[in-house]
Amino acid sequence: SQQGEEDPQALSIQEGENATMNCSYKTSINNLQWYRQNSGRGLVHLILIRSNEREKHSGRLRVTLDTSKKSSSLLITASRAADTASYFCATVEGAQKLVFGQGTRLTINP
Amino acid sequence: DGGITQSPKYLFRKEGQNVTLSCEQNLNHDAMYWYRQDPGQGLRLIYYSQIVNDFQKGDIAEGYSVSREKKESFPLTVTSAQKNPTAFYLCASSRTGVAGANVLTFGAGSRLTVL
Repeated sequence: SQQGEEDPQALSIQEGENATMNCSYKTSINNLQWYRQNSGRGLVHLILIRSNEREKHSGRLRVTLDTSKKSSSLLITASRAADTASYFCATVEGAQKLVFGQGTRLTINP
Repeated sequence: DGGITQSPKYLFRKEGQNVTLSCEQNLNHDAMYWYRQDPGQGLRLIYYSQIVNDFQKGDIAEGYSVSREKKESFPLTVTSAQKNPTAFYLCASSRTGVAGANVLTFGAGSRLTVL
């Protein structure tokens, strides 16, 4: 099953610009998470937003959640070359299953 | 340092052979997971375990087997019945319950190539 779908699939921007990626999901959620994956590596948890929260910040990251539209967005401000990675949203399905979207491949050009 | 160790990092297998991927964690997490990732794709859940001696099939369990004899260890065997095993395999763990909120800690992955 595929709960989340990220959009766009790929994004290329210049260093210093902001990057926005979106995630849509299908069923009701308790929380939604965003993860980052550098090429050929494991995923790293970035931020979790609960269903009763609308916005959350962590450093240069800002996540929003709209449960009425079943969507979330991840904004990375003042992007750096080191932000080049794939970004995944994930939601819980069933008792303990975390289901991931297809991911957005972000490239930051120097 | 606490974390998850996967081994080997790279593995080559001939068709018809079974291979076992190791996953060990020292985070004292109750739950452990195996995901498969194909190039340019998201993660698909193979198996997960919430407690020792218990595990459940994920979305793509056919051709795979697991065991959970110890809290720290969750090895994955890719059997010859798996028709297309070449992929990147990721192990993860999490605390259970509301406090854990299903936040996963991942290992660095094992890349399996069938020759």
